[in-house]
Amino acid sequence: NAGVTQTPKFQVLKTGQSMTLQCAQDMNHNSMYWYRQDPGMGLRLIYYSASEGTTDKGEVPNGYNVSRLNKREFSLRLESAAPSQTSVYFCASSEVGTRSNYGYTFGSGTRLTVV
Amino acid sequence: GNSVTQMEGPVTLSEEAFLTINCTYTATGYPSLFWYVQYPGEGLQLLLKATKADDKGSNKGFEATYRKETTSFHLEKGSVQVSDSAVYFCALDRSEKLVFGKGTKLTVNP
Repeated sequence: NAGVTQTPKFQVLKTGQSMTLQCAQDMNHNSMYWYRQDPGMGLRLIYYSASEGTTDKGEVPNGYNVSRLNKREFSLRLESAAPSQTSVYFCASSEVGTRSNYGYTFGSGTRLTVV
Repeated sequence: GNSVTQMEGPVTLSEEAFLTINCTYTATGYPSLFWYVQYPGEGLQLLLKATKADDKGSNKGFEATYRKETTSFHLEKGSVQVSDSAVYFCALDRSEKLVFGKGTKLTVNP
């Protein structure tokens, strides 16, 4: 099925460990995004990529890095995980940003716990 | 800066009740406005959108009208179903990126 695929779905890390969250879309979309979802906070933008080869910081980029590997893939890396990064992470893509009539397409999320 | 404020939840209704979820925004200019829905265990999906003042977005029985005068985009449905139980997010467009409200959890009981 076409869409956005995120791996892994669940992960538990110890403080200080590193990991990479993977995201891939097969809709030939130009724009990709990483959001985190926390109770009572809604979704907050971490990083985004308007097109292949470009990345920019969002609202809450500290402690994260991203790579737009190619048009399909956009990964999020935690270099040294902290308990404050416990969250649900969503990757999304869009053909033309918010101008798309179909909105963003979201993956099903990665639930990360840092202990 | 641009931001969205939506009513605190959770909201609990009986089947066939009328639903209103309030959303107001602060923005420079006139951004596009959106409602997204998140069903349990899933990512968000677009429910409806409006791109200019007085536009009405509608989908699956839900409606919302872009009110410039009151800077509002309230979500309404005349008769909710159990299957409408989900978290609803109001959002606006800021520089081609979505800014979300905190979400409102709706539970519909049979």
